[in-house]
Order: sequence, then C-alpha cells, then structure tokens
Amino acid sequence: GAGVSQTPSNKVTEKGKYVELRCDPISGHTALYWYRQSLGQGPEFLIYFQGTGAADDSGLPNDRFFAVRPEGSVSTLKIQRTERGDSAVYLCASSQTSGSYEQFFGPGTRLTVL
Amino acid sequence: GQSLEQPSEVTAVEGAIVQINCTYQTSGFYGLSWYQQHDGGAPTFLSYNALDGLEETGRFSSFLSRSDSYGYLLLQELQMKDSASYFCAVRRVENAGNMLTFGGGTRLMVKP
Repeated sequence: GAGVSQTPSNKVTEKGKYVELRCDPISGHTALYWYRQSLGQGPEFLIYFQGTGAADDSGLPNDRFFAVRPEGSVSTLKIQRTERGDSAVYLCASSQTSGSYEQFFGPGTRLTVL
Repeated sequence: GQSLEQPSEVTAVEGAIVQINCTYQTSGFYGLSWYQQHDGGAPTFLSYNALDGLEETGRFSSFLSRSDSYGYLLLQELQMKDSASYFCAVRRVENAGNMLTFGGGTRLMVKP
C-alpha cells in the first residue's frame, strides 16, 4: 500500500515569508508526528497528533510554527515569518495507533529559507 | 532532558560484522528503537527493544541493557546497500503518544 507522502518535496522561500508543508499519512493511521532534521543530525520532535487534536506540541520551537489535522488524516505544518534558521528537512511520520512503537516516515520536505 | 550518544562514523568491509553502540540519559524511558536512513531518504524502522536482551531480525540484531542505559545494533554479513546512517531513538510515552528522541546518527560506510 501507499506509504506516507509529503508535499512539496522541496520548498525555497525568502526570509519573512509564510510556508505550508503537507503530510498525507498511511490510511487508517491515527497517530501523526512531525519532526525536523538538520544536516548531519537526527530528527527532532516537533508535534504529535492523535486523531484531529494536537496531543503534544512541546517540540515546536516558537509561536511561528503551527500545525493542524482537521479531519484526522492529512496534516499541514505552517511556518510564519520564516527565518534562515528554519532551513531543514521536515519529516512526517504516522503510526497505526498512538500505542504503536513503529513509526513510518515520509520522504520529507526540504525547506530552504534564503 | 534526554540525550543519546552514538559514534558519528563507522567503516567496515563487505561481509563483515559491525556493532553500533548507543548510550542514553533520559527520564520516562519505554524502549530503544533503531532506524536506518539512506542519503536523501526517509528513516525506516529496523528494530525495537523494550526489555533487556537481544532481538534478532535477519541480519540485524539489537541489544538493550536498561540498567546500563546502553544498547547496540549489530549488522552481520554486511552488504554495500547497508551504507547509510543509523539512528538510535528513545521512545517516551507522554500524552498517550510515542515521541521519539533521536541520537545524532552513525554514518556507516561499507567498502568492497
């Protein structure tokens, strides 16, 4: 079956602009996670959704970052007033339930802020 | 806070065995996972240990010692396609979710 998909695969924007990154999880997976990965480092947790609600957003770096999952499937990560330090690969992962230890990752969106 | 330490790079030859160590300091530890990531690719799940001991999955095995806050991934019969980055990750359970805290990754280079 289809895995986790993310669009766009690459996004180049200018400092100060607004961007939206989309994640389409595996069908039927109720838990969804966003991570951010900088070059040469491990993924860093941002936010976790169980169904439609953000159950844990403790990893969001500041209030410029926001994510939604209105119907419990597709999620959008939104970044306002982008900064050069936001440049990274943004990874989305889903798992069958919130209790599942295996997470399935998408290919990521590479965000470059000029 | 949580921190994980693993070697940054390991080199081995095809057909050999390699062990990638991971030590961690964390609160609320539930288990240790291992993920593989090829350049430009998505992390993919390899194994998970919640209890002490060895878990074997084909050519890959993973070990955990909770008392030592230590684990390792063992790769046998190395193949060129095993060249990738390997991440250990602590699973913490909060707010009914399973958040992962990743180490910095070990870049494995397999040479012919």
